[in-house]
Amino acid sequence: GAGVSQSPSNKVTEKGKDVELRCDPISGHTALYWYRQRLGQGLEFLIYFQGNSAPDKSGLPSDRFSAERTGESVSTLTIQRTQQEDSAVYLCASSFLGGEKLFFGSGTQLSVL
Amino acid sequence: AQKITQTQPGMFVQEKEAVTLDCTYDTSDPSYGLFWYKQPSSGEMIFLIYQGSYDQQNATEGRYSLNFQKARKSANLVISASQLGDSAMYFCAMRERTGANSKLTFGKGITLSVRP
Repeated sequence: GAGVSQSPSNKVTEKGKDVELRCDPISGHTALYWYRQRLGQGLEFLIYFQGNSAPDKSGLPSDRFSAERTGESVSTLTIQRTQQEDSAVYLCASSFLGGEKLFFGSGTQLSVL
Repeated sequence: AQKITQTQPGMFVQEKEAVTLDCTYDTSDPSYGLFWYKQPSSGEMIFLIYQGSYDQQNATEGRYSLNFQKARKSANLVISASQLGDSAMYFCAMRERTGANSKLTFGKGITLSVRP
């Protein structure tokens, strides 16, 4: 596709349930990033992929959060046993290797009730 | 210590006037990049401008320019001839190049409102 695609655009879940968020980067972009943005706040870095490996996972807030990337393409961010504090917009971005500019998706709005 | 600091409260500017959005940063890395992104109410993140730490000249992109003062570690965004569509959140971000860390670190953002 022309841009970074994220699905679903909105997800409402109950506390304690697991959720999977998907990111489809721009074709050919080897770098992929996940960020979290709480309401009215800045972007918090979660994890960075270079190809299928994740050299920087330093932003994952707890072991309930995990992410994988396959085929240097699609990435999935999984949150297990969701908590209300997980409610946020989860943004994915991609770039070329060594590219300066990150291209962002429209995000997934996660609401944990 | 915060890597990116944006401390201005909500900013207001009259349409067609210029406005400066402040950003200071903190790094010991000699090689880094500075970015500004715009986030309108729709939520998308729109890249505006980039400045490399070794660039000799201030970056410009249309109505956007970056006032880069390396010694002061500031990277202020200047928007000339403001338009109503410029009303949005604006985020300053930095990428440090050394090591395996290639993430962008974002500031907390500044809300800009353009008055007609």
